[in-house]
Parts: sequence; structure tokens; C-alpha cells
Amino acid sequence: GENVEQHPSTLSVQEGDSAVIKCTYSDSASNYFPWYKQELGKRPQLIIDIRSNVGEKKDQRIAVTLNKTAKHFSLHITETQPEDSAVYFCAASKTGNQFYFGTGTSLTVIP
Amino acid sequence: NAGVTQTPKFQVLKTGQSMTLQCAQDMNHNSMYWYRQDPGMGLRLIYYSASEGTTDKGEVPNGYNVSRLNKREFSLRLESAAPSQTSVYFCASSKGGLAYTEQFFGPGTRLTVL
Repeated sequence: GENVEQHPSTLSVQEGDSAVIKCTYSDSASNYFPWYKQELGKRPQLIIDIRSNVGEKKDQRIAVTLNKTAKHFSLHITETQPEDSAVYFCAASKTGNQFYFGTGTSLTVIP
Repeated sequence: NAGVTQTPKFQVLKTGQSMTLQCAQDMNHNSMYWYRQDPGMGLRLIYYSASEGTTDKGEVPNGYNVSRLNKREFSLRLESAAPSQTSVYFCASSKGGLAYTEQFFGPGTRLTVL
């Protein structure tokens, strides 16, 4: 099956700085890559996703890039704010039904 | 619109006891999922149901059974609970399939097996 690795496991940044989280995947057939944010004690929620026919996607302060050749994708958060503090999960899927998640990155934004 | 609901929110079991976790969605979604979340392990898929009447194993199905009761409801059963099943369980739903659409998660069930 698919194997998704996520780094780093923890990340601390000063408010206003950028944060980057990276994921690699093993199955070259995977073609859908969502990112979920989970605040403490809450449920995961989708923040952005990208499909394999696109190299980059932006939504305000959040962007995701995909390198199919290298089989890695990254989440970029610019101008970080304290409310960005959460655990972020990447995932990969080739069927749209079976999703493989990374192990998560705990992001702390220091005011 | 309640979205995805789960019951119970918390449960403590003794080893060997059985229980069923309930999940329901009111978004007319085709696909439903059960995940477990353990510290440092991320979310791991236990079972999923791509459509009413079908269920398939995910990454970690051993020790669990599921029932897709109808389009709205998808239950997860532990027949003989073990301490290794202590976890937070999330149900999710999506339109599913080739649409690759967003998964909506329930609030979770925190299960402790003693």
C-alpha cells in the first residue's frame, strides 16, 4: 500500500514568519493530496488540496506545491498567526476512497 | 445541518467487552469511513464504505467489524476489546470516489480499554 511520510513532527515559528511542512509518498499512482488541520481536541478539517495535474495551488496565506517526479508535496503558510497553531496532516489517495495520512506536524506560532 | 455525528463521545471498556460506535451523516454523502488516531501515528483507516451496501478493509481492520446500515449510518463494532484498541475513533463522510472530494469528520469517540 501507500506510505506517506511527513516532516517535521514539530515546528515552532515566530508570528509573521512562514512555515513549511513536507510530505513524501511512495505510490506513483496517487493523484489527490489533501491537507487537514486539527486544533486541540477538535476534528480534522480540510484546509487545501491539490490534484496531480496541478503543480501549485494557493488560498490566501496557504499554498501547496506538488512535485510528481520526486513524489513529494509541501504546505506553505505565510504570515503565520497564533490561530494557525494546530496539528497539520497531509494525505494521499489514488481512488478517492482510501486515504493514507502522514503522522502529523504540530505547529506552534509564538506571538 | 448536523454534519457528521458520533456516539458515544467517551467510553471505557474492560478487556473482552464488546461495543458498537455509531456514526450518522445528513449530507447525502455516498462514502463513509472509520479512522483511529493514536499519538504519533496520524489517522489510520480501519474500514470504509464507498456506497450503501458495500464495505472494504482499510489499513488496520483486524479486531473490528462494520455495518453500513443505510446511506446515513455506518457503525463500527469491537467484538472483544483489547488494550491495543485504546484510541480516538473518527468517522468521516464524503461524496466519494473519483470526485476526490473533501472528507467531513465527526467529533470523535475517545475509547479506553482497560
